[in-house]
Amino acid sequence: QVQLQQSGPGLVKPSQTLSLTCAISGDSVSSNSAAWNWIRQSPSRGLEWLGRTYYRSKWYNDYAVSVKSRITINPDTSKNQFSLQLNSVTPEDTAVYYCAREKEGLWEPWGQGTLVTVSS
Amino acid sequence: SSELTQDPAVSVALGQTVRITCQGDSLRSYYASWYQQKPGQAPVLVIYGKNNRPSGIPDRFSGSSSGNTASLTITGAQAEDEADYYCNSRDSSGNPWVFGGGTKLTVL
Repeated sequence: QVQLQQSGPGLVKPSQTLSLTCAISGDSVSSNSAAWNWIRQSPSRGLEWLGRTYYRSKWYNDYAVSVKSRITINPDTSKNQFSLQLNSVTPEDTAVYYCAREKEGLWEPWGQGTLVTVSS
Repeated sequence: SSELTQDPAVSVALGQTVRITCQGDSLRSYYASWYQQKPGQAPVLVIYGKNNRPSGIPDRFSGSSSGNTASLTITGAQAEDEADYYCNSRDSSGNPWVFGGGTKLTVL
């Protein structure tokens, strides 16, 4: 059974960097058939796909147009996890952040979610 | 803004059938998947592909598609089906994936 466990701070100051990690058990971040995603959810934006990392003989990343200039998603093969960094955050970035696996069009499982509040 | 459009809210009487729809241009080329989300919980996949259910999802949940519209049907809605429902699909422009705005289902 694949499980995703998220970790990271729940409070970030404006203009600073939001950093979250998603630890994978039961699958590999280097899987040739999965993609590892970050999604966020807020009342104003609903569910918003942020980006993904995946391995197909080499590493690829895709990012949402809305955050492309501020986001980095990195795999960590030594710890079998992947991370999200979102720079220059504002209160608009306040949301519940989820990690999720997408495999052959199936989005499961999801992490437990992390509420990140951007406030001074 | 979402490229997949859902009705914000739908209600159904207990035991009756309800259809939740999702509209978008990308649905002419790609199947939608459907997710159920209850308060304080992460979304859970209920329908994917043409009309497939993950293990553990009751068979009262089904999916269909026509043109630019995908539908999730719950036949014989139960109280525990009260939740928010989201569709997602591959995007035909810009981002690889897109989510609908969600539909709040109330079971009366």
